[in-house]
Amino acid sequence: KQEVTQIPAALSVPEGENLVLNCSFTDSAIYNLQWFRQDPGKGLTSLLLIQSSQREQTSGRLNASLDKSSGRSTLYIAASQPGDSATYLCAVSWISGSARQLTFGSGTQLTVLP
Amino acid sequence: NAGVTQTPKFQVLKTGQSMTLQCAQDMNHNSMYWYRQDPGMGLRLIYYSASEGTTDKGEVPNGYNVSRLNKREFSLRLESAAPSQTSVYFCASRDGYEQYFGPGTRLTVT
Repeated sequence: KQEVTQIPAALSVPEGENLVLNCSFTDSAIYNLQWFRQDPGKGLTSLLLIQSSQREQTSGRLNASLDKSSGRSTLYIAASQPGDSATYLCAVSWISGSARQLTFGSGTQLTVLP
Repeated sequence: NAGVTQTPKFQVLKTGQSMTLQCAQDMNHNSMYWYRQDPGMGLRLIYYSASEGTTDKGEVPNGYNVSRLNKREFSLRLESAAPSQTSVYFCASRDGYEQYFGPGTRLTVT
């Protein structure tokens, strides 16, 4: 079964720290991978999308990398701020999937302490 | 552009009642999806529609039906609600690569 795992489930860091969130997936034949942010009681905001042919994507203080051979992606957040506190979800679309459906990890709940 | 919209935002049902969750997108996307999110879990796919006129089951379709009314609208129906269907429901649509999500419907079944 194709699965996505995110560890740790929760992370707490002091403001200003650089941090890495991890995502692993069981099948390397992916179409793309998306990182989302979800604030409490809210919907999902897409942060970064990495195509299968890409190794990384950057947006501001965020950098996402992709290593298909090892089945891993990381989301790097530089100089963290309290406003970065949210749940971060990783989702994979596999080549074998129908209509490019996404399979989600259970998320990492990030708290940035002032 | 409104993006993906969902109605209602909140709903409380009694066991056995029925209701329809509405979703619409104004981005001219072909594919649309319904997910549910339970506490501490990621999103799980209920049904999807690759294009107007087609629908297919996802990971957790039992107890639900869908209708792709036209290219813009994709509705999710609970025929006889059960407490296990208490969840947050998200609709999404997809362009060539990326999925865009609505704000969600928080459903409680008592």
